[in-house]
Parts: sequence; C-alpha cells; structure tokens
Amino acid sequence: AQSVAQPEDQVNVAEGNPLTVKCTYSVSGNPYLFWYVQYPNRGLQFLLKYITGDNLVKGSYGFEAEFNKSQTSFHLKKPSALVSDSALYFCAVRGPYGGATNKLIFGTGTLLAVQP
Amino acid sequence: ETGVTQTPRHLVMGMTNKKSLKCEQHLGHNAMYWYKQSAKKPLELMFVYSLEERVENNSVPSRFSPECPNSSHLFLHLHTLQPEDSALYLCASSQDSTGRNYGYTFGSGTRLTVV
Repeated sequence: AQSVAQPEDQVNVAEGNPLTVKCTYSVSGNPYLFWYVQYPNRGLQFLLKYITGDNLVKGSYGFEAEFNKSQTSFHLKKPSALVSDSALYFCAVRGPYGGATNKLIFGTGTLLAVQP
Repeated sequence: ETGVTQTPRHLVMGMTNKKSLKCEQHLGHNAMYWYKQSAKKPLELMFVYSLEERVENNSVPSRFSPECPNSSHLFLHLHTLQPEDSALYLCASSQDSTGRNYGYTFGSGTRLTVV
C-alpha cells in the first residue's frame, strides 16, 4: 500500500536561514512525488514534482526537493526562508501505474512558520 | 487561477437546507476529486470520478451526494448536514486515463459552515 509520512507537524525557522521540510514515502515501483503548499483558506498549490531524471528537482518560489531512493525520502528545501513562505506544506506520492484509482496519497501536512 | 474553479467560495447553511457545491475545470482532465479538509485533520478523499464514472466512494455519509454530468463539471449536493461537516471542501482534477501521471490541480475550495 502507498503511504507518505511527514514526521513534523510544525517547522520553525528564522528568516534568511535554510529550511527543510521532511517527507518519507512507501510505494510499489518507482514513485511519483509531489509537494504542494496551502495558504490559509486556499486550495493546494503545486510546488514541484519528481517523476524521473535528476534527483534534485527545482520548483516554484525558490524551493527544491531531493529524491533519495535508498532512504525513500523527498525532503523539501530552500536555501533562505522568507516570512511569506509561512504556510502548510503537503507531500504526496503515487505509484507509476495509470488510472484514477491509483490516486495521490497525501501526508498530514507540515506547518512552516518563518519568524522575521 | 489554477484552472479549477469552485463556487461558492463561502457557504453558510442550516442543517435542514439543501445546497450544492460546484467545481469546473477546462484543463482537459478526465478525473475529478472531492476532498474534505477539517481543522487539524488530514485531507480526506471523499469521491473520485474518472471519465464521469464514480470509481471510489470512501464511506462518505449519504447526506453528501456527488454528481459528474460531464468531464468538466463536478457537483457535491448537500442535504441535512451536521455541524461537524463544517470544513473546507476542495475539488481537484488530473489527467489519468492516458496513463501519464501528473499531480492534481486544486481549486481554491469552498468554506462550508453548518449552523
């Protein structure tokens, strides 16, 4: 069965410091991995994805994520955090097979709080 | 604007009312989803439609009734709701039936309050 874990409910970081939001996954076959961000009272916005290719994926707003197959992880990173990055971040995974029943599985979300 | 539009953005309804949430996408996607997001809880997948056919119903109470008249529109009909049904309801779509695997595109959600 597919699953994804975000071990931290909240991550606090000072503005200008690097940030990491952790995600680990379990899936049969090669994973398709995604990060989404959600601002208050809004839907989820796509940040970046890993399908194949380079393990380091760059996305919107200066975010990047590194796919690590041996550790089954896909941590979200940013070299220098901004106060405006404060939001709820979701990691999601699905297997490589087609069909709507092979749905995205979302983590429980990590609240990122960036202090000025 | 993501390409998935949800209306209304906010809805307050009494427990005896009947209302409907609407979701519309013109991205050429052929799968659509309803999610419920409650405070301090994980995203709950409610319904999945693929090519206008319901392919999944995750034990959702019958007071929630989905309808997918075509691949661009998805509705969630609500009747005799309970206060605990108050939540943000999110619609999403994806391109799935071709076997290409992309993520979901979400709407901005409908904030539902049941009084």
